[in-house]
Amino acid sequence: NAGVMQNPRHLVRRRGQEARLRCSPMKGHSHVYWYRQLPEEGLKFMVYLQKENIIDESGMPKERFSAEFPKEGPSILRIQQVVRGDSAAYFCASSPGDSYHGYTFGSGTRLTVV
Amino acid sequence: DAKTTQPNSMESNEEEPVHLPCNHSTISGTDYIHWYRQLPSQGPEYVIHGLTSNVNNRMASLAIAEDRKSSTLILHRATLRDAAVYYCILRADNYGQNFVFGPGTRLSVLP
Repeated sequence: NAGVMQNPRHLVRRRGQEARLRCSPMKGHSHVYWYRQLPEEGLKFMVYLQKENIIDESGMPKERFSAEFPKEGPSILRIQQVVRGDSAAYFCASSPGDSYHGYTFGSGTRLTVV
Repeated sequence: DAKTTQPNSMESNEEEPVHLPCNHSTISGTDYIHWYRQLPSQGPEYVIHGLTSNVNNRMASLAIAEDRKSSTLILHRATLRDAAVYYCILRADNYGQNFVFGPGTRLSVLP
């Protein structure tokens, strides 16, 4: 039973380019959450998605950031026109969505903007 | 969201028990107490959770005060692999509510 798969593990982008981060949830999990961790800081919630729906995007920056979780395929976090301040570790988590329960996190994508 | 307070850092010797405290004086009746940990360069990992009663699993034990205003995560025998940041998080038993991570406690384990 594979865990939450994130790719790529490391991503380098030049300022102004686009970054696409992928997250495949655990089998049977229909809820996906994205978190960002800036260097030496804590984890900050970004967005919560279910299949084809954004449930809570209260933590998403207003511009340049978007997320989707299509009916088929992985969830994608997209950052347009990246800036140096976007350099961070981005973690995806998934859950089955029933009322308890906790999350299973992926190993993250480390984005470096040069 | 009800907040938690944890010490910034703690140290332990290898193979000794570790008690990681968490204060949550504004906890509500529907809040579960969750613990996650984050090893270096990895994503957070579930440790344990509870509501009112003490809980045990293969990783740790969770001791919850009778008034639920505080709790303690207990690692019975610390290993070097337990060096991590430990997060104590409250979350209502709500469908899909996200976890709010604080700064946590950075645990160092000395050989």
